[in-house]
Amino acid sequence: EPEVTQTPSHQVTQMGQEVILRCVPISNHLYFYWYRQILGQKVEFLVSFYNNEISEKSEIFDDQFSVERPDGSNFTLKIRSTKLEDSAMYFCASSELRLSNSPLHFGNGTRLTVT
Amino acid sequence: DQQVKQNSPSLSVQEGRISILNCDYTNSMFDYFLWYKKYPAEGPTFLISISSIKDKNEDGRFTVFLNKSAKHLSLHIVPSQPGDSAVYFCAATSSGGSYIPTFGRGTSLIVHP
Repeated sequence: EPEVTQTPSHQVTQMGQEVILRCVPISNHLYFYWYRQILGQKVEFLVSFYNNEISEKSEIFDDQFSVERPDGSNFTLKIRSTKLEDSAMYFCASSELRLSNSPLHFGNGTRLTVT
Repeated sequence: DQQVKQNSPSLSVQEGRISILNCDYTNSMFDYFLWYKKYPAEGPTFLISISSIKDKNEDGRFTVFLNKSAKHLSLHIVPSQPGDSAVYFCAATSSGGSYIPTFGRGTSLIVHP
């Protein structure tokens, strides 16, 4: 079964550094998402992406964050200057359709640790 | 602002018994609800869903019940198996607004042999 793949599985970075989290969505999916989960908290929506542009973003997704689809397969999340509170599990997801009943397919996540 | 609430952080059940995971929501615009299951070191995977036009949806050992008037849904697993041990997330979407699922905090289910 096709799956969403994320790299790296764990990223450790120092505060103030830039990080890029990478994702390869399922190939025939058109909608892409980033979520994050801070330890012990809920899974929070960050941003959705369709047709090479952001379609929706949350208040968490401020100017420090950006997303890009640099080629036909990768979907990246960049954090420009990391803060301690950015430490979380970051999940990439994709869906075939943008409908309520089109479930998201998630990758295994990247654990980001900011020291 | 927790629009989707899972008030039980954990649940422990004996193998073979029923597991009942609960979820409440506050946004009356939500009209589609999904349950995701998450194992350690993996991402959430879709399990079962229900539309607001129904009050029950069944798939094998998994049944989701929806009580719209109470803004409450529950996931029943019967019989529970040790392999069901995972974190279960309730999520909700609105076809009239954002299709982006809003997730709860999750409930960690442990099924003891």
